[in-house]
Amino acid sequence: AQTVTQSQPEMSVQEAETVTLSCTYDTSESDYYLFWYKQPPSRQMILVIRQEAYKQQNATENRFSVNFQKAAKSFSLKISDSQLGDAAMYFCAFLNYDTGNQFYFGTGTSLTVIP
Amino acid sequence: NAGVTQTPKFRILKIGQSMTLQCTQDMNHNYMYWYRQDPGMGLKLIYYSVGAGITDKGEVPNGYNVSRSTTEDFPLRLELAAPSQTSVYFCASSLIPTGNTEAFFGQGTRLTVV
Repeated sequence: AQTVTQSQPEMSVQEAETVTLSCTYDTSESDYYLFWYKQPPSRQMILVIRQEAYKQQNATENRFSVNFQKAAKSFSLKISDSQLGDAAMYFCAFLNYDTGNQFYFGTGTSLTVIP
Repeated sequence: NAGVTQTPKFRILKIGQSMTLQCTQDMNHNYMYWYRQDPGMGLKLIYYSVGAGITDKGEVPNGYNVSRSTTEDFPLRLELAAPSQTSVYFCASSLIPTGNTEAFFGQGTRLTVV
């Protein structure tokens, strides 16, 4: 099975500052997808950003960007200009369709935004 | 678009009781999944399905059963509920992998077994 590791159970950031959440994964595959999902207190899982492994360019979505290091199997999420609404649990996820199209999730990082 | 709909949102069961968590999606997705979320443990895959009539076990299938008779529906059955099954359950669906693939989630079901 693939493994996804988020080593930071909790993080905090001042409003308007930048924070980086870490994620590493373990796989022997070369083609796969990586995701960051946000889970606010409402419990709804919301896709923040996705990265395809064969693309070398790092994905960006407005204030959210990733640092994808394929050789190091690292996939960190950077949140710029943090807002109070960014406070949530963030999950890193891995998908490889050769293994049944299963999404594998990390244990999550709880992000607090300090006003 | 309703997306992925789960019912119920909350449920309390007594030990030994059974129940079915309902999940339906209206996006014509091939793949459907059931996850459970426990504090500090992330999401663990219980069962998944790659299409109608096909299901397979995930990481934590014991104590659960599923069926997939239609593309839209993927119910999860708990037989003989145990306290260890107290958790938040999520149903999700996705298309086959493409550049825009993602998992769409339902709102979750908080289940307490007492």
